[in-house]
Amino acid sequence: AQRVTQPEKLLSVFKGAPVELKCNYSYSGSPELFWYVQYSRQRLQLLLRHISRESIKGFTADLNKGETSFHLKKPFAQEEDSAMYYCALSGDNFNKFYFGSGTKLNVKP
Amino acid sequence: NAGVTQTPKFQVLKTGQSMTLQCAQDMNHEYMSWYRQDPGMGLRLIHYSVGAGITDQGEVPNGYNVSRSTTEDFPLRLLSAAPSQTSVYFCASLPDRISGELFFGEGSRLTVL
Repeated sequence: AQRVTQPEKLLSVFKGAPVELKCNYSYSGSPELFWYVQYSRQRLQLLLRHISRESIKGFTADLNKGETSFHLKKPFAQEEDSAMYYCALSGDNFNKFYFGSGTKLNVKP
Repeated sequence: NAGVTQTPKFQVLKTGQSMTLQCAQDMNHEYMSWYRQDPGMGLRLIHYSVGAGITDQGEVPNGYNVSRSTTEDFPLRLLSAAPSQTSVYFCASLPDRISGELFFGEGSRLTVL
């Protein structure tokens, strides 16, 4: 069965510190992995997807098929990064997404 | 463009009552879906649609009905509300098969007493 696990409910770091939000998944086929973000009073929106291999707002994420992980990283956190982050997976059916329970990132000044 | 619009934003129901959560999008997206979010859990797919007249079940479809008569609208119906349906509901649209970019509504918080 497909599952997305985000082990941390809350992650607090100081501004300028590195941040890593963990995501592990289980899926029998070839998944596509995404990170979605919800800033305060804003809608849930796509941050990045693994196949684009882009850095968005300084965030990167590498798909590790051996460890079935897709951790989100940023070398220097900013206060405006404070938000709720959701890891998501899409598989054989592009219409079906499976979301993790989310990690709240709090960047302290 | 307004994007994805959900109404109402808040609703309180009594057990057994019925209601419809409305969802409309003005981006001409073929694909639409409904998710529910419960505390400590990720969003779970209720129903989805690949176009007008075509709907299918997601992960947690029981207790919900949907229809898609137009490209723009995708209402979610609760036929007989139960306390277990207390949740935050999100409607989303998807522009194509490739992007993987869901466009979400603001959410509807439903409480069933």
